Amino acid sequence: QVQLVQSGAEVKKPGASVKVSCKASGYTFTGYYMHWVRQAPGQGLEWMGWINPNSGGTNYAQKFQGWVTMTRDTSISTAYMELSRLRSDDTAVYYCARGAAIRWGGRDFDYWGQGTLVTVSS
Amino acid sequence: SSELTQDPAVSVALGQTVRITCQGDSLRSYYASWYQQKPGQAPVLVIYGKNNRPSGIPDRFSGSSSGNTASLTITGAQAEDEADYYCNSRDSSGNHPWVFGGGTKLTVL
Repeated sequence: QVQLVQSGAEVKKPGASVKVSCKASGYTFTGYYMHWVRQAPGQGLEWMGWINPNSGGTNYAQKFQGWVTMTRDTSISTAYMELSRLRSDDTAVYYCARGAAIRWGGRDFDYWGQGTLVTVSS
Repeated sequence: SSELTQDPAVSVALGQTVRITCQGDSLRSYYASWYQQKPGQAPVLVIYGKNNRPSGIPDRFSGSSSGNTASLTITGAQAEDEADYYCNSRDSSGNHPWVFGGGTKLTVL
């Protein structure tokens, strides 16, 4: 069965960076896009971008361009999301979610990781 | 970029039918998907495409679309349907990013 398992909670100081991992299993990792979505406390969902695990190509939401970096390690079927220059309002739960199949499309956001709480506090 | 607008809160009596709507210009070009999120849990995809349900999603959930408005209908709402519901779609501008609606809190009375 498809599973996305994310890394544990993080506490960071303002100005620092955080790198969240998302390990995929139960499907061909390089065959599907991977999205990253965040949710601030008590707020809605915010799309951050996606990575094509096959090519490494990325598509970031305009808001995050220049301070988010999405990468992957195909040898261990893991996607990463790194956010730099953290501020207090980056405190949120960060989710990875499987996207559509790269070759034939289909549904997006059909499987989600459990979420990683990132707290930014001095 | 486009925005998707949802009513913040909707209520429904147990066993009755409720419609949750999502409005936005991008919905003229792209189908909306719908997600259910319960407190402390990750979102779950309930409707995608024209009106498709992933396996395991009850058939009381259905989707429809007209013009710039997409709707999620729950026919015969159950207590376990109380949750936040989010729509999303591709954005018709630029490099076609994704956008989420602000979410609707559904209360089952």
